Amino acid sequence: ILNVEQSPQSLHVQEGDSTNFTCSFPSSNFYALHWYRWETAKSPEALFVMTLNGDEKKKGRISATLNTKEGYSYLYIKGSQPEDSATYLCASATDKLIFGTGTRLQVFP
Amino acid sequence: SAVISQKPSRDICQRGTSLTIQCQVDSQVTMMFWYRQQPGQSLTLIATANQGSEATYESGFVIDKFPISRPNLTFSTLTVSNMSPEDSSIYLCSVKFGGNSPLHFGNGTRLTVT
Repeated sequence: ILNVEQSPQSLHVQEGDSTNFTCSFPSSNFYALHWYRWETAKSPEALFVMTLNGDEKKKGRISATLNTKEGYSYLYIKGSQPEDSATYLCASATDKLIFGTGTRLQVFP
Repeated sequence: SAVISQKPSRDICQRGTSLTIQCQVDSQVTMMFWYRQQPGQSLTLIATANQGSEATYESGFVIDKFPISRPNLTFSTLTVSNMSPEDSSIYLCSVKFGGNSPLHFGNGTRLTVT
């Protein structure tokens, strides 16, 4: 993998559903993996910075895992709420941050 | 964390003109970063602005098109020169407080070039 790739591109879920997205990144020269949430008309907000293989981080209903050997990270949202609607970006840090194109999540009440 | 004020928040400009975007941070930072997101694309780093030296541009971006100023440790400007419709994007300034800390972003400037 030469670029940072995110899937799916967009996701529509019902309130209360749990969901997850994937970020794939080059495993060579890995330094850190960032997750951001970007709501419309606001600035991107950092969720997690992860560095260690097998690392798992949690912030409320949102959690993330990291596999640096195979080059992927998962972001999980438990019990999605309408306020979780946003674009979720991951970025791989080597000598600079390379962003994926994001997963656009819409949660319907 | 940091409070980053970016302006204008949006603008509609005619092709051939230039727009200067301002970014003010409420604390001193060594490096400031300018990103853009074209429609359907990922956030792409334009350049890194260092106080007291010339900005460092990424591949595909040049100083003549995107001149940057960094007069002090709390302020930077990015100018989009001789605009064309392809420059229609969201432009974001950001800062980082070292090491593995995350980026902190301004609210962005939504630019439409007609």
